[in-house]
Amino acid sequence: AQKITQTQPGMFVQEKEAVTLDCTYDTSDPSYGLFWYKQPSSGEMIFLIYQGSYDQQNATEGRYSLNFQKARKSANLVISASQLGDSAMYFCAGGNEKLTFGTGTRLTIIP
Amino acid sequence: EAGVAQSPRYKIIEKRQSVAFWCNPISGHATLYWYQQILGQGPKLLIQFQNNGVVDDSQLPKDRFSAERLKGVDSTLKIQPAKLEDSAVYLCASSPGTNTLQFFGPGTRLTVL
Repeated sequence: AQKITQTQPGMFVQEKEAVTLDCTYDTSDPSYGLFWYKQPSSGEMIFLIYQGSYDQQNATEGRYSLNFQKARKSANLVISASQLGDSAMYFCAGGNEKLTFGTGTRLTIIP
Repeated sequence: EAGVAQSPRYKIIEKRQSVAFWCNPISGHATLYWYQQILGQGPKLLIQFQNNGVVDDSQLPKDRFSAERLKGVDSTLKIQPAKLEDSAVYLCASSPGTNTLQFFGPGTRLTVL
């Protein structure tokens, strides 16, 4: 069975600061992908970034980067220079064909 | 390119009534997923289709939930009869194939009274 754990139910961050959202995974599958999705209040899930378990380098997409530590089974999302529009729920998900989601972190950016 | 479309966006029904949700995936996407997202939780996969065949429906409560994907394009998810605990957002997602990035629709928020 696969399990994704997000231990931060909510976070408040000052605008323009960097923020790290935690995610740990538990799987015996050696070929495992980690995803981060953003869910604003409107409800849709927006894909942010992906890290494959065999990737040698940490993934980056604009202001988003993934701090992937395989030995610790963690895949933390780092958002640099946070903006008011970053306020949303953030979900970590893992798997290949079938995704398992964590419980999410509600991020609030303070002006 | 148009995204995943879902309707209705909101639905309120009373328990024991039936309800149906519709999903139109991104053109050309062979794989379609239905997820249930209960308030305060992450999405949980209900059923996965590959073209018009079911790949995984192990988490679908088959006594009350049904889903179909005729002709391998649009899909409908039905609940009959609904229970209070079915109140959730139902998300549809599609991907070009299995083991590829999933794109989500806006969801249907169901409230069962």
